Amino acid sequence: EVQLVQSGAEVKKPGESLKISCKGSGYSFTSYWIGWVRQMPGKGLEWMGIIYPGDSDTRYSPSFQGQVTISADKSISTAYLQWSSLKASDTAMYYCARPYDFWSGAFDPWGQGTLVTVSS
Amino acid sequence: DIQMTQSPSSVSASVGDRVTITCRASQGISSWLAWYQQKPGKAPKLLIYAASSLQSGVPSRFSGSGSGTDFTLTISSLQPEDFATYYCQQANSFPLYTFGQGTKLEIK
Repeated sequence: EVQLVQSGAEVKKPGESLKISCKGSGYSFTSYWIGWVRQMPGKGLEWMGIIYPGDSDTRYSPSFQGQVTISADKSISTAYLQWSSLKASDTAMYYCARPYDFWSGAFDPWGQGTLVTVSS
Repeated sequence: DIQMTQSPSSVSASVGDRVTITCRASQGISSWLAWYQQKPGKAPKLLIYAASSLQSGVPSRFSGSGSGTDFTLTISSLQPEDFATYYCQQANSFPLYTFGQGTKLEIK
């Protein structure tokens, strides 16, 4: 079974750093891109960026460029999303997702989500 | 960036009704469109890809159509488990994918 399992919920203070993870299993991790999606409380889905674990090619949505860093460690089939200095506005649910196939641009499966809460 | 606009933003319907949700792209995206269903506290679930292809395991009451800039998701006969929020996503401009703002389907 193809599966993405994300790390657990985090509670952080403004200015702190954070790295959340997304571990893939049941498929060749280096052969598929992994994307990250933000969902702020009560709001819609926002595309953040994507990484190809095979060579770490990383692309960002302009809204998130410079705000977060996406990385991957192919030796442990894990992708990461990290912040160097969190803000209250980073409070959101974050999902990772894998393309369903190599051509449609649709995503399936998705991780279960990681809730990040930033509060003083 | 390609903007995706869904309508309506919310809709109330009854079990057994036929419901159609529309998604419009700010420029042509061929058939590079996916639809997702999201229930509260859950990750999005892929329903339709390539505008009209039904994802494996998704009931046949769901269907998608359209190409270019105008797309629709139709649920032919609403079931209680279909009440959720639906999102479209354009997949034309890799890696700058974008989602619609969502359509909340509520019980009348």
